[in-house]
Formats: sequence, structure tokens, C-alpha cells
Amino acid sequence: EIVMTQSPATLSVSPGERATLSCRASQSVSSNLAWYQQKPGQAPRLLIYGASTRATGIPARFSGSGSGTEFTLTISSLQSEDFAVYYCQQYNNWPLFGQGTKLEIK
Amino acid sequence: EVQLVESGGGLVQPGGSLRLSCAASGFTVSSNYMSWVRQAPGKGLEWVSVIYSGGSTYYADSVKGRFTISRDNSKNTLYLQMNSLRAEDTAVYYCARVMEWLLPPYYYYGMDVWGQGTTVTVSS
Repeated sequence: EIVMTQSPATLSVSPGERATLSCRASQSVSSNLAWYQQKPGQAPRLLIYGASTRATGIPARFSGSGSGTEFTLTISSLQSEDFAVYYCQQYNNWPLFGQGTKLEIK
Repeated sequence: EVQLVESGGGLVQPGGSLRLSCAASGFTVSSNYMSWVRQAPGKGLEWVSVIYSGGSTYYADSVKGRFTISRDNSKNTLYLQMNSLRAEDTAVYYCARVMEWLLPPYYYYGMDVWGQGTTVTVSS
């Protein structure tokens, strides 16, 4: 079974700075990797699919990269509304989420 | 407007049963892959089950044999029948549409529409 590992568990960044979140798969998932944002009390929101394609309506400051087992979500110039929990998800056969990275204000 | 609305959550005793519903609008449930995802209090997201447009179903090991995903095409509604409930099934349950995109030469997937969630509490 594939295991998705996200790092770090918590990331403290100042508004306006860049945030880099990592996701590692225990075996190759090709580019079948999605990223989600979840704010307290809300359902998750799809940000990225296919490792690097932004979903509809997602601002350009969100970008995804990687393939195989190593993936990165980069948020350039953090806005106040970007502080949330971020999950990666692989989709080989069926979905599997990472444990999440909490992005907090420094 | 594309929307999913869950219902059916509540308090149930261990060993009991509950059926969750997820009513869709703005798209056709039977033409899409549909999934259930849950989130235990203070924890991360856990995939529960998926039903493909062709009718195939898959389950996480943690619920296999106890939960059943289904759909009613006439009502455009997704269901999750939960039996033999345990304390560890306590969570907010979300339904989601699994969208498929072709980025040649491969298909890629993501959950692009989510419901607001319904809370299931298993406790005596």
C-alpha cells in the first residue's frame, strides 16, 4: 500500500513570504497527485491536480511540481487567507491522503 | 450551480447503523466518480469509499465489510450505509465528486466538488 508523507507537519511563514510544502509517496504515483486546502470548519478545496495543474479559480500564486515520489506545493507571497491546512492526495486505483501540513502565521 | 448536500448524520450507539445521503445538483451523480471522505475530530482526511460511473465500488480497509456506497439515479443522490459502527467511525463525513481530466496521454483525478459535511458520533 502506498503511504503519503507530508513535511513539515507545521510551517510558520510571514505574510508576503513564500511557503514550500512537501509530499512524498512511498512508491511512484506518476503525476497523479492533487493538493487541497482546508480551513477550520470548512470542506477541503481542490487546488492542484495532475501534480501541477491549477484547478478552476485557483490564484496563480499557488503552484505544484514534481512527479514519481516527490512533490512540492509552493505558495508565493502568502496572503492572510492562505493560512490553513494543506493535504496532498494520490490517486492510483483509489484516493489516499497525506497527513497534512498546517501553514501558520509567523 | 454545482452543489452537494449531505444529510443523515447523528448520534448512534456502537454496533448501530446509519445511512448518509448526499444530494447532488448541477450535475449527474451516475455519470461521475463519487466518493466519501471522513475527518475524525482534530485529525486529517481519510478516504472511505468510491463508486465509479460504471458502478464499481471500493472501500478503505477500515470500513470494508461494514459500509456500503450506492447511488439512486432517479434522485441524483449518493448514499453511504454504515453498519456495525464503532467509536473510531466518529467523524465528519464529506461526499465529493471525483473529477477526471485528460492531460494527454494520461487521466488525472481530483475531488473538485465537496459537500458541507455531516457529523456522525458513535457513542453509548
